[in-house]
Amino acid sequence: GEDVEQSLFLSVREGDSSVINCTYTDSSSTYLYWYKQEPGAGLQLLTYIFSNMDMKQDQRLTVLLNKKDKHLSLRIADTQTGDSAIYFCAESVSQAGTALIFGKGTTLSVSS
Amino acid sequence: ETGVTQTPRHLVMGMTNKKSLKCEQHLGHNAMYWYKQSAKKPLELMFVYNFKEQTENNSVPSRFSPECPNSSHLFLHLHTLQPEDSALYLCASSLTGGDGYTFGSGTRLTVV
Repeated sequence: GEDVEQSLFLSVREGDSSVINCTYTDSSSTYLYWYKQEPGAGLQLLTYIFSNMDMKQDQRLTVLLNKKDKHLSLRIADTQTGDSAIYFCAESVSQAGTALIFGKGTTLSVSS
Repeated sequence: ETGVTQTPRHLVMGMTNKKSLKCEQHLGHNAMYWYKQSAKKPLELMFVYNFKEQTENNSVPSRFSPECPNSSHLFLHLHTLQPEDSALYLCASSLTGGDGYTFGSGTRLTVV
């Protein structure tokens, strides 16, 4: 079946890099996503990667995909206190309006 | 605001009440979704609508009844809920494709 796993907590100091990891089980996933949820808010799409890519960079965010190991990571460079939130990894299996399968989320805590 | 608006933001209801959650998007998306977010559990997909047609019902109890009158509006009608139904209910919309989903801020539901 479909399953997305993430570690639950990560704590870093301001200015350091954060790396949030995710594993998924469905090898037919076409897109993999990272969402951010701040307290009291919905989920905000941060970035996504197509399954035939290895890496995608967007300003402070770097996504790495190891399709062989079904491993996805999100690296946040120069982490700021405003990056404190819950980060969700999600996969979609097909494009046509199929809903996403989410992990439980990783709570990132950034201390100054 | 993300472009997906959910009302109300907070709702407290008794187990014998009937209430409705509303979701509205004017992003031109053609798919809409209801998710349930409970503490310490992954986001649970409840319903998927594609071009106003329900394409997925993820074994949701009949006390939750969705309605999608057009591609811009989605409702979740609630009746005779249980305390374990207390959660954050998130609406999302998307185009059929891989460019991610836009979430609303959610309705925090408490069943007493």
